[in-house]
Amino acid sequence: GAVVSQHPSWVICKSGTSVKIECRSLDFQATTMFWYRQFPKQSLMLMATSNEGSKATYEQGVEKDKFLINHASLTLSTLTVTSAHPEDSSFYICSARVPDRTAYEQYFGPGTRLTVT
Amino acid sequence: GQNIDQPTEMTATEGAIVQINCTYQTSGFNGLFWYQQHAGEAPTFLSYNVLDGLEEKGRFSSFLSRSKGYSYLLLKELQMKDSASYLCAVMDSNYQLIWGAGTKLIIKP
Repeated sequence: GAVVSQHPSWVICKSGTSVKIECRSLDFQATTMFWYRQFPKQSLMLMATSNEGSKATYEQGVEKDKFLINHASLTLSTLTVTSAHPEDSSFYICSARVPDRTAYEQYFGPGTRLTVT
Repeated sequence: GQNIDQPTEMTATEGAIVQINCTYQTSGFNGLFWYQQHAGEAPTFLSYNVLDGLEEKGRFSSFLSRSKGYSYLLLKELQMKDSASYLCAVMDSNYQLIWGAGTKLIIKP
C-alpha cells in the first residue's frame, strides 16, 4: 500500500509555456502532499505543502504565482509551472503523508523531470 | 538555524560493511528518517528512528542518539545495487522534514 504516482514522468517544454504535473495517491487518501525540487547532485528542496481544500503553504523564496498548487481532492494535487524558464529545469518530486501512520512517513512519487528549452 | 550534516561521498567494497553518519541540529525532534535514492529516481524509505538505539532491518540498520544529535545507517554485505545516495532527514517540531544533502555511496567490486 501507500503508492504515489506522478504524471508525466518527463516533459520538455519551450520557454514561456506552462506545464502541469499531477501527483496522485493511488490506494490511500492524502490530506497533505508535499512538492519538492531537486537539482543535480543536490538534496531535496521543499517547495510547498499542499493541503486538501485549502491554499498551499509555500517555502520562503518560492514564488506562489509561478508555481501554482491545487489540491482539489484527497487523492490529487497538481503543480503548474507557469511561464517556464530554463532555470526551472529540474526534477520535481511529490510526496504524501499516510494519515493513519504514526511515523509521519512520507511516500514519494517517481518524480517528473522537467526540461525547459 | 537548522542543519543536517552527512558526508558527500563514500566508497566501499562489495561484500563489506559501511557506516554513513548523520549529525543534526534542528528546532525540535520528531524522528529521523533514512531514504535511499538511485540516480534519476525518487527516494525510497529505509528507516525511521525516534527513540535512542539501533533498529535492524535485514542488511540495513539505523542508530540514533538524540543527546548527541547523531545517527548512522549501517549497510552490511554490500551489493552493487546498493550504489545510491542515502539521505538523512529529521522531522522538526512542526513535523517538517529537514533534509541532508545526501551521501553518494559507490560500491566497487
